[in-house]
This record gives sequence, structure tokens and C-alpha cells, in this order.
Amino acid sequence: AQSVTQLGSHVSVSEGALVLLRCNYSSSVPPYLFWYVQYPNQGLQLLLKYTSAATLVKGINGFEAEFKKSETSFHLTKPSAHMSDAAEYFCAVSLIQGAQKLVFGQGTRLTINP
Amino acid sequence: DTAVSQTPKYLVTQMGNDKSIKCEQNLGHDTMYWYKQDSKKFLKIMFSYNNKELIINETVPNRFSPKSPDKAHLNLHINSLELGDSAVYFCASSHFFGQTSGNTIYFGEGSWLTVV
Repeated sequence: AQSVTQLGSHVSVSEGALVLLRCNYSSSVPPYLFWYVQYPNQGLQLLLKYTSAATLVKGINGFEAEFKKSETSFHLTKPSAHMSDAAEYFCAVSLIQGAQKLVFGQGTRLTINP
Repeated sequence: DTAVSQTPKYLVTQMGNDKSIKCEQNLGHDTMYWYKQDSKKFLKIMFSYNNKELIINETVPNRFSPKSPDKAHLNLHINSLELGDSAVYFCASSHFFGQTSGNTIYFGEGSWLTVV
């Protein structure tokens, strides 16, 4: 069964530092993988998705993620953190069970220190 | 224009009451969903409809009854509310999966339900 594990429920970085949010997946078939961001008291916004076209995926707000099949990972990075990046980040794998559905990781709260 | 809109955004109600959350999408999608986010932020699918037909029902208590009058609307009715129903409920939509499970699922802003 497909599943997603996000390592670290809380990550704290300084403004301007590298952001690295970790996501590992388990899938018996080639996966489709997503990163969503949730700002406080708001809905989920798609950051980027991997659909097998390219292993390095660029998303909005300067984020990118690299699909590594050998490591079953899809880590999210951003070279330089901004205060506005503070939010909850969710990694998800998409599967078909009659319809498409997303199976989410536990989420990682990103805090940016001034 | 909001792509996936749901109302109300905040709802506080007493145990035992019946309440509804409405959802509408203007993206031209034919598949809609309800997801639940619990107090620990964990997100899980509840239901999925395609062209008004129920496709996914993830062992949700039958106090929860989704209704889709047309493919642009998916409402969630909850009977006999319990304390444990307190959560954020997200409506979402996408194109039908077709040959791929890589379609983007678009989420609404969420409905914060508090049962007291």
C-alpha cells in the first residue's frame, strides 16, 4: 500500500538559510507525488508535483523537489528561507482506488527565525 | 474568483445537532472530494464523487452523508454531531483521473467545525 512519511514534525531555520523538508514514500507502482502548503487558518495550496516527466521539479515561491527512486524520497528544498515561508507543509502520494485520492504525510511545520 | 469555495468557514455547534457544509467549484472539474483534517493536522480522504456518483467512501460513520446535486457541487451533511467530529473539513476537486493519477487536486479554504 502506498504511504508517505515526513521526517520531522517541526523544522526551524533562520531567514536566508536553506530549507530542507524530508519526505519518503512507499509505493508498489511508479508514484505521483505532491507537496502542498497550508498557511495558518487557510486551505491547501499546491507547491509542486512529480508526474514522471522530470526528476527535479520546480514549484511556486522558489521551492523545488527532487524525486530519487533509489532512495524513495521526494525532499522539498528552497535555497533561502523567507519569513513568509512559515507554514505547514504536506507531502502526498496519489493513488487510484476507484478514483484518484491523496494519501498525506503527517505534515511538517516550518518556522523561520529572524 | 475562488476556484473551490466552501461555506461556512467557521461553525460552532452543540452535540447532537445536525449541520451542513456546502461546497462549489468553478474549475469545470467532474470529481469532487471531502477531506478531514484532525487536531493533529492529519489529512484523510472521506468521500469522492465523480459526476454525482459516489466513488470513494472511506469507512466514514453513516452520520456523514455527502450529496452532489450536480458535478459542480458537493455538500456534506452531518447528523447527531459528536465532540470527535470537531475538525477542519476540506472540499476539493479535480479532473477525473483518466489514464493517470497525477491530476492536481485543488482544495478549498476549509470549514472549521467545533462541536461543544
